[in-house]
Amino acid sequence: SYELTQPPSVSVSPGQTARITCSGDALPKKYAYWYQQKSGQAPVLVIYEDSKRPSGIPERFSGSSSGTMATLTISGAQVEDEADYYCYSTDSSGNYVFGTGTKVTVL
Amino acid sequence: EVQLVESGGGLVQPGGSLRLSCAVSGFIVSSNYMTWVRQAPGKGLEWVSVIYSGGSTYYADSVKGRFTISRDNSKNTLYLEMNSLRVEDTAVYYCARDSAALKDWGQGTLVTVSS
Repeated sequence: SYELTQPPSVSVSPGQTARITCSGDALPKKYAYWYQQKSGQAPVLVIYEDSKRPSGIPERFSGSSSGTMATLTISGAQVEDEADYYCYSTDSSGNYVFGTGTKVTVL
Repeated sequence: EVQLVESGGGLVQPGGSLRLSCAVSGFIVSSNYMTWVRQAPGKGLEWVSVIYSGGSTYYADSVKGRFTISRDNSKNTLYLEMNSLRVEDTAVYYCARDSAALKDWGQGTLVTVSS
């Protein structure tokens, strides 16, 4: 089955830049979406269609995609950005899949 | 205001059945793609199923043949019928609007499969 691979954890100091990668064979042809999930809460969409930011999401969140890798960048990370982040996309059959998830620590 | 409210979760024995509901207000379920996502305790998110506005349905391999997604247009409600439940189906189940850009989510309902 199709897999989207993310690093288990990323640590960043406040004000620095965090980059979270998502690797998948279908990403050259399929959009990537990114979700933030804080403890005990439902996920929140932070990036859609590789690089678009929904209204209400801070500008420090950005996305990009090249080849088989999509990247979520948090520029000037804040303490409140500490959360689990998941990429999300489709395989060639149209089934959806979440990435393995990355725990971002800001300290 | 958009609201999605899941219900129907609970404790069920292995092999049992459960039907989850997702009551929606603020938009029309039948005009939108709707998705179920689950999260096992301490684990990551897992896509479960989607129903498109035209009625087509798709399922994760892990639930195919056991779960059925449906909707009731008169009640503006989404459902997930779960049969032959397994211990590994234990999770919080979320409903969400759309299929990819899931901008609106419910608060989730916990399903526990245990003897």
